[in-house]
Amino acid sequence: AQTVTQSQPEMSVQEAETVTLSCTYDTSENNYYLFWYKQPPSRQMILVIRQEAYKQQNATENRFSVNFQKAAKSFSLKISDSQLGDTAMYFCAFRKAAGNKLTFGGGTRVLVKP
Amino acid sequence: NAGVTQTPKFQVLKTGQSMTLQCAQDMNHNSMYWYRQDPGMGLRLIYYSASEGTTDKGEVPNGYNVSRLNKREFSLRLESAAPSQTSVYFCASSRTGSYNEQFFGPGTRLTVL
Repeated sequence: AQTVTQSQPEMSVQEAETVTLSCTYDTSENNYYLFWYKQPPSRQMILVIRQEAYKQQNATENRFSVNFQKAAKSFSLKISDSQLGDTAMYFCAFRKAAGNKLTFGGGTRVLVKP
Repeated sequence: NAGVTQTPKFQVLKTGQSMTLQCAQDMNHNSMYWYRQDPGMGLRLIYYSASEGTTDKGEVPNGYNVSRLNKREFSLRLESAAPSQTSVYFCASSRTGSYNEQFFGPGTRLTVL
């Protein structure tokens, strides 16, 4: 079974600064997908970024980028130029290439301070 | 497009009562999912439906049943609610294929006394 671990329960960052969230996972699969979801206080789950395991190039979406290290089974999220609206819970998630199930980590709460 | 809608938004039940959580999507997605989110934890999959007419158990199916009524609707039923089922429940949908994004509803906060 797959497991996803987010070791930082909470992080704070000053507005306009950069914060990096860590995520590690355990799997015996070779092909899979990794996702970062954001959950603001509204509770709505929003996809931030995704990465295909067979692609070596790290995914980027505007101010959000990942550092995918397949051998180390690590998938960190970097938020650059943090904005107040980035305050939320962030969840890392794993999905097998041939599966339907998303396995989530426990989440990291990010607080952006003005 | 409303996306994924869930009713109700909040519900309080007494132990032993039954209820059905409703979910509908208007994105013509084949796959639909039910998750629960407990404090300090990520979402855990209860049941999913890969396509109309099929349902499968997820990680935590005990105490729940589901019905894929048609392509749009996927309901979750608690036959005899227990305090351990106090949680926030999310419905999601996606196109077929693991790469595809799952779109989530706003959630239902359920409290079982």
